[in-house]
Amino acid sequence: DAGVIQSPRHEVTEMGQEVTLRCKPISGHNSLFWYRQTMMRGLELLIYFNNNVPIDDSGMPEDRFSAKMPNASFSTLKIQPSEPRDSAVYFCASSFRGYRPYTDTQYFGPGTRLTVL
Amino acid sequence: SQQGEEDPQALSIQEGENATMNCSYKTSINNLQWYRQNSGRGLVHLILIRSNEREKHSGRLRVTLDTSKKSSSLLITASRAADTASYFCATDGGTGKLIFGQGTTLQVKP
Repeated sequence: DAGVIQSPRHEVTEMGQEVTLRCKPISGHNSLFWYRQTMMRGLELLIYFNNNVPIDDSGMPEDRFSAKMPNASFSTLKIQPSEPRDSAVYFCASSFRGYRPYTDTQYFGPGTRLTVL
Repeated sequence: SQQGEEDPQALSIQEGENATMNCSYKTSINNLQWYRQNSGRGLVHLILIRSNEREKHSGRLRVTLDTSKKSSSLLITASRAADTASYFCATDGGTGKLIFGQGTTLQVKP
């Protein structure tokens, strides 16, 4: 299995531009997570999907951020317009949500390093 | 808000020594997991311990869980330079999402 695939690996953009990050989860997994990691705030969960449905988006910082999962093999995280404070590493992770007792473990992609100038 | 808090924040040891990292959390859990992150990489799952377990081993890793104290520890025995990484605990409250701590940065000197 190729693991979780993210693209692009690096993105440099200017303030005000739209940024789209992409993720392909592991085949067969039914849960997908988007995280943001910075030195100051650590690893933050932005949004969590189960069976392509957003379950918890309480971590999405503001309306500039949106995420979609049109099918089980693809998700996007969009920032529009981008700001310098959005600079971070964005990780996508996937897992299989089974039955009780839950023992989900998450598989992380390599991340997208976003720099907003 | 962060659920897990690791202690210490940073740890530096010599190769061959043991490394112990601690994690405290605040609410009830279904299980607790430890992950490793090498510099510039994504997190990798190491070990999971369920709420009804007290100790678990995997190779050179030993994890303990004390639900009465809401704490866990990760012991890496006979450390190697390749163990240099950041280690995170993560709690699963049964909602399908994990809450990660701030991590412990481990440096193993050859």
